[in-house]
Amino acid sequence: SAVISQKPSRDICQRGTSLTIQCQVDSQVTMMFWYRQQPGQSLTLIATANQGSEATYESGFVIDKFPISRPNLTFSTLTVSNMSPEDSSIYLCSVSNPTDASGANVLTFGAGSRLTVL
Amino acid sequence: ILNVEQSPQSLHVQEGDSTNFTCSFPSSNFYALHWYRWETAKSPEALFVMTLNGDEKKKGRISATLNTKEGYSYLYIKGSQPEDSATYLCALNTGGFKTIFGAGTRLFVKA
Repeated sequence: SAVISQKPSRDICQRGTSLTIQCQVDSQVTMMFWYRQQPGQSLTLIATANQGSEATYESGFVIDKFPISRPNLTFSTLTVSNMSPEDSSIYLCSVSNPTDASGANVLTFGAGSRLTVL
Repeated sequence: ILNVEQSPQSLHVQEGDSTNFTCSFPSSNFYALHWYRWETAKSPEALFVMTLNGDEKKKGRISATLNTKEGYSYLYIKGSQPEDSATYLCALNTGGFKTIFGAGTRLFVKA
């Protein structure tokens, strides 16, 4: 399966600032997914990042708050803009396992970025 | 909206104990059920993918079953070891790239 490098692994941020998370995949993938896990909550899909087109956002998430870049088939960034304490979460990027032939969309994840907003 | 419930939220066991936890969901309208293991500071890793009612999967001391008719899956760990300490996530793939996760069961295994 793919190997994903994600950074930063953790950060402490001030209210009102923005932070960009980067994910690098060791193989070319069509779609990359960005998830968030707030404390005690489920992993929730923020958006799907497609190369060459705008990201597709899930209900409750908007581009102004979570702008995404996807400049090529191996890299993506997620920015958390104008942060508030409610944005304190673990953010993960993921891709579908390219060797999975079942069609069951088994995911490979980065190690996550744990953000704390003061 | 499909809701995936996991219980218990956390679990503390002694080394050598066997344990199990539950993933429940209200509908059988899904394509596949996944279990992931997420160790602290590491990436979540896929453990099992199950698609059919009655599926049973096993990997070493860990096994899982699926009952789509009654809407649940069990994950079993036999003879828990400290290295089994992790959060275990259940997720439903509803077709295509849509995957819905439960909140996880956090397992602590004390030596």
